[in-house]
Amino acid sequence: QVQLVQSGAEVKKPGASVKVSCKASGYTFTIYYMHWVRQAPGQGLEWMGIINPSGGSAGYAQNFQGRVTMTRDTSTATVYMELSSLRSEDTGVYFCARGRSGTYFTFDIWGQGTMVTVSS
Amino acid sequence: QSVLTQPPSVSAAPGQKVTISCSGSSSNIGNNYVSWYQQLPGTAPKLLIYDNNKRPSGIPDRFSGSKSGTSATLAITGLQTGDEADFYCAARDSSLSGVVFGGGTKLTVL
Repeated sequence: QVQLVQSGAEVKKPGASVKVSCKASGYTFTIYYMHWVRQAPGQGLEWMGIINPSGGSAGYAQNFQGRVTMTRDTSTATVYMELSSLRSEDTGVYFCARGRSGTYFTFDIWGQGTMVTVSS
Repeated sequence: QSVLTQPPSVSAAPGQKVTISCSGSSSNIGNNYVSWYQQLPGTAPKLLIYDNNKRPSGIPDRFSGSKSGTSATLAITGLQTGDEADFYCAARDSSLSGVVFGGGTKLTVL
């Protein structure tokens, strides 16, 4: 079945970087865009950016420009999200979500989420 | 402060109907499709409605969506206790070149 499986929880110190992975299965990896969405504890959803797994091009939300990098490995059907210069406000759950065919800014499949804790 | 505005909470009795509003602007809802997501406690969000009013396979017709101008509405009929969750609206925003979400609405089935 179609699924996205993310890497495990991370604990990082302020100023460090974190890299979260999202492995896709059950569909053709290169024909669906992938997004990353963050959810701070007890808060709502925040869109971080989008990557085209076919060519690797990415676009980022203004709030994350300069700190986030999204990449992909087509040989393993995996996308990655790296966030640098971490601060306590970056604590939260990070989700990868597949862009739906056609209206690719709609998220039809979600990963289980990865908890990232930033604490000294 | 979220770009799209939703009520923080709604409630209704089992079997009743509830609606959740989502207000935006011409740069998002007014000129782009709206989607709705349901997030049960401790789980990832799930797509409920896309392209304003379409349901993915497996979503019961108790859930429906509509859009008018710069606002959208999610309606849930025949409420069940299992429907208790947070609901989010979302839309592409042409000015921000990305996706914006509502702040979320917590549904309580009394």
